[in-house]
Amino acid sequence: EIVLTQSPGTLSLSPGERATLSCRAGQSVSSSYLAWYQQRPGQAPRLLIYGASSRATGIPDRFSGSASGTDFTLTISRLEPEDSAVYYCHQYGISPQTFGQGTKVEIK
Amino acid sequence: EVQLVESGGGLVQPGGSLRLSCAASGFTFRNYAMSWVRQAPGKGLEWVSAISNTGVNTYYADSVKGRFTISRDNSNNTLYLQMNSLRAEDTALYYCAKRDSSGYYRPFDYWGQGSLVTVSS
Repeated sequence: EIVLTQSPGTLSLSPGERATLSCRAGQSVSSSYLAWYQQRPGQAPRLLIYGASSRATGIPDRFSGSASGTDFTLTISRLEPEDSAVYYCHQYGISPQTFGQGTKVEIK
Repeated sequence: EVQLVESGGGLVQPGGSLRLSCAASGFTFRNYAMSWVRQAPGKGLEWVSAISNTGVNTYYADSVKGRFTISRDNSNNTLYLQMNSLRAEDTALYYCAKRDSSGYYRPFDYWGQGSLVTVSS
């Protein structure tokens, strides 16, 4: 199965700062099949980005995704307090579909 | 508004069985592939099983293959997960998740709130 490794484990930033989250795939994954989810404490995951760079419905444009080979990045351009959450990448192009272990974003 | 409401979780002894249900509303259920994804306490997400929109095709993680069975009732807009031979490592919050189309190779655009399964003696 494809292993997705997310870094860093935890990111602690202030409101208004830029957050850069990384997801590295252990083998080739088409960028068409990479998603990012946000999971706030006590809530279900929410789709943010699919196809590596397409924003899901209702997601603000301060969330963006990009891809370069087996490296995928989620960028939150201007952090807001409600962005405090765990973020997961997900590859859905090769069975079994797999998730990264998550990056926790803390707002100072 | 899309709603996915799971039920059927609870405490079960090792080796026991449970059946989870997911009641779907707010979309044309028969047109979308569905999945179960679980999250052990304090851990990350793990895909468990998937089913095509028609119910003809099913898929399982190796960790549950031969023990879990996914099914759906398109006339009643309900997804199921029959879990047999449960183990302590199956303890998790089980989410019902909708894909954004009928295809398997698609992201999950809506999730339920989860149903907690605890396997313990």
